[in-house]
Amino acid sequence: NAGVTQTPKFQVLKTGQSMTLQCAQDMNHEYMSWYRQDPGMGLRLIHYSVGAGITDQGEVPNGYNVSRSTTEDFPLRLLSAAPSQTSVYFCASSYWAGGRTGELFFGEGSRLTVL
Amino acid sequence: DAKTTQPPSMDCAEGRAANLPCNHSTISGNEYVYWYRQIHSQGPQYIIHGLKNNETNEMASLIITEDRKSSTLILPHATLRDTAVYYCIVSPRARGGSQGNLIFGKGTKLSVKP
Repeated sequence: NAGVTQTPKFQVLKTGQSMTLQCAQDMNHEYMSWYRQDPGMGLRLIHYSVGAGITDQGEVPNGYNVSRSTTEDFPLRLLSAAPSQTSVYFCASSYWAGGRTGELFFGEGSRLTVL
Repeated sequence: DAKTTQPPSMDCAEGRAANLPCNHSTISGNEYVYWYRQIHSQGPQYIIHGLKNNETNEMASLIITEDRKSSTLILPHATLRDTAVYYCIVSPRARGGSQGNLIFGKGTKLSVKP
């Protein structure tokens, strides 16, 4: 059971570089989301999607882009990395029904450092 | 969106019940209470959720007060592996495109001690 798979697990970038964090799930979940977690803080929602072709912003969307071309994949793009984007990023997925998520399944996280 | 208040930290002796409180005094009628935990730096793990009735599963019990303004997560026999940050989350009221997203606060850091 793969569940939610995130790659890469670790990444170091220089300011201004771009990169994509990958997230894939094999549970046929409609809902997928990206969170970031800074040291000593809770998780903050970046972007989410309730199905292929549908994305929307969360609490902290600035500096990030997403797309959802398939049910399985939900990549997060940093177009021009900044030191403030140094964080641990978590992808999550769930079924989506009646405007609510069910149990969220999380990936193991991607640790990003921007120098 | 209904907000939650949790103590920043708690200790519990191994083998004893851990009772983690959560205040959500502004919860509305269609909002659920969710509990997740995060062990060290892993991804959060779902524990339990409920609307107004008490709930129990293999991991924990959730006790929601009759007025729904507070709840308690109970780990009946805490082990060292239950040391984690526990998040109490109230699902936001429906509001256009932001329906259903779970917003995590800082949670309660539970330390289970031998």
